[in-house]
Amino acid sequence: QKEVEQDPGPLSVPEGAIVSLNCTYSNSAFQYFMWYRQYSRKGPELLMYTYSSGNKEDGRFTAQVDKSSKYISLFIRDSQPSDSATYLCAMSIYGQNFVFGPGTRLSVLP
Amino acid sequence: GAVVSQHPSWVICKSGTSVKIECRSLDFQATTMFWYRQFPKQSLMLMATSNEGSKATYEQGVEKDKFLINHASLTLSTLTVTSAHPEDSSFYICSARDPGGSSGANVLTFGAGSRLTVL
Repeated sequence: QKEVEQDPGPLSVPEGAIVSLNCTYSNSAFQYFMWYRQYSRKGPELLMYTYSSGNKEDGRFTAQVDKSSKYISLFIRDSQPSDSATYLCAMSIYGQNFVFGPGTRLSVLP
Repeated sequence: GAVVSQHPSWVICKSGTSVKIECRSLDFQATTMFWYRQFPKQSLMLMATSNEGSKATYEQGVEKDKFLINHASLTLSTLTVTSAHPEDSSFYICSARDPGGSSGANVLTFGAGSRLTVL
């Protein structure tokens, strides 16, 4: 079983749609959960991070962590063509042992 | 927020030559930096952990003599690809943790990446 699993997509949605991106993980020791956005030929950009379980909202983005299910999600509301990118989930054990998902490629069509 | 600068963003070199990539933390000190490699449409692959003032820790399968890492100061780490060959062509990305940031040292900030093409 892989440590972090993420559907690679590609995922295509129309502009304005709500996007749901998800990851599952196997190591219950993970405490910090991150979502990165990576545009083509650029380095990953930190979108949001969450400590332990719960929800966190920042503008159009909402991150959810369910540690009991070992499941994390990123929701994007009112998606825009500029949101088209690869989204990577990541997690760490208090800043150690960072593990990344393979990334989901998202296309938001105008 | 934390900023990591990486240079050059794009480099082309001839087979057999060496190429140096720099990674700088601009507004914080980083005792540890991480170097990743990424092939097209694939995820990040950790190559090595760069430690200020000591030797880097390489992941299994990464050639230490091929990928030389030097963490000379608290704000600078360099990756040198020695005797580069076409199979070394890839996207190299560095990252660091900002202990003083709002998230502490628990998240990574990435540089913009360096695209290496070996002819």
